[in-house]
Amino acid sequence: DSGVTQTPKHLITATGQRVTLRCSPRSGDLSVYWYQQSLDQGLQFLIQYYNGEERAKGNILERFSAQQFPDLHSELNLSSLELGDSALYFCASSVAYRGTEAFFGQGTRLTVV
Amino acid sequence: ILNVEQSPQSLHVQEGDSTNFTCSFPSSNFYALHWYRWETAKSPEALFVMTLNGDEKKKGRISATLNTKEGYSYLYIKGSQPEDSATYLCARNTNAGKSTFGDGTTLTVKP
Repeated sequence: DSGVTQTPKHLITATGQRVTLRCSPRSGDLSVYWYQQSLDQGLQFLIQYYNGEERAKGNILERFSAQQFPDLHSELNLSSLELGDSALYFCASSVAYRGTEAFFGQGTRLTVV
Repeated sequence: ILNVEQSPQSLHVQEGDSTNFTCSFPSSNFYALHWYRWETAKSPEALFVMTLNGDEKKKGRISATLNTKEGYSYLYIKGSQPEDSATYLCARNTNAGKSTFGDGTTLTVKP
């Protein structure tokens, strides 16, 4: 158990809908990262938050947004969902802004039908 | 090199063999190189993070080296065991904090 908790584990929703994925980082970790793994692609970095502020942005679609709350948990919001958004979404956390080990949650499997 | 590339894509070895994989990455804007171990149906597990040219890290039978000038890192496994079977991922972080992952090397260790 990495100490990073993601909910829900599985989510099935229809095209056009909006969903929220939640991540609770390890105790003491200030950084939260979001990643996407689609069927035919490797892990893609989406976005990083550090102590409540956005610190780095990857290939995140405009339909997707994230935030980190004062208690350091983070949410990834996915809207106007398309079939191609079906993927495994991972959250990871680390102590520092960069250069330290990142610990991954178990992931949320999103299926868009 | 423009992306993070890992080789070989897959590797099959016998128990007790030693093996190594390569991660190649753009050397510009480099900040850190991460290695992860990823078992099927689980999530990636951090092995090492290295930031300085010439860094060497070791954890049990697994070790890694880093060359930031030429843009590569090696991961070594000494005396492979069946439980080492997994996909080994590397990820490069830039100064701006952006991460790029390689596609991984899948290791299968036969008893």
